[in-house]
Amino acid sequence: QLQLQESGPGLVKPSETLSLTCTVSGGSISSGSYYWDWIRQPPGKGLEWIGRIHYRGNTNYNPSLKSRVTISVDTSKNQFSLELTSVTAADTAVYYCARRAVGGTRWVDPWGQGTLVSVSS
Amino acid sequence: DIQVTQSPSFLSASVGDRVTITCRASQGISSYLAWYQQKPGKAPKLLIYAASTLQSGVPSRFSGSGSGTEFTLTISSLQPEDFATYYCQQLNGSPLTFGGGTKVEIK
Repeated sequence: QLQLQESGPGLVKPSETLSLTCTVSGGSISSGSYYWDWIRQPPGKGLEWIGRIHYRGNTNYNPSLKSRVTISVDTSKNQFSLELTSVTAADTAVYYCARRAVGGTRWVDPWGQGTLVSVSS
Repeated sequence: DIQVTQSPSFLSASVGDRVTITCRASQGISSYLAWYQQKPGKAPKLLIYAASTLQSGVPSRFSGSGSGTEFTLTISSLQPEDFATYYCQQLNGSPLTFGGGTKVEIK
């Protein structure tokens, strides 16, 4: 059964860079049938799609974050990563990684358990 | 961006009630809509994709319908474990966008 697990610092200072890694287990990240997404949820609020990567490295980002976001993949480690630069308190959120099916049927499943990242000095 | 408007944002219901949640997309998205259930402190769980296809393992009391711009999620008989927040997501255009959520609480 495929599982995803986010890891990274839970506290980041304003203006610094948020870095998270998602480790995929129980399956290979190197499948052409899927994208690998990052999604976030500020405390008590709704869900925001950040961006995605394919195992071959092509990416697509939410325009609202595009200037600050980089998503990368390491197929040898079965991991993909998120970097968000110049963070502010507005970037405080639970960050989820997830798998997304592409093509004729599209869905996001499974999701990682999520990791809370707080931006504070 | 494709805006997704979900209603109601809050719903109070009793066990056994039939519950309907609606999502409207700002432009046609064919059937590229999914529904998720989220409980406090947990990740969202996929319930329905392609507007009406039930994810494996999801109880049959959940159903989805619609295409184009109007979609509904129906719970035919609300169970205690169904009290949660529900989100729709459009997967037709980039960026992917979510509805604002519907919190289903016990009356």
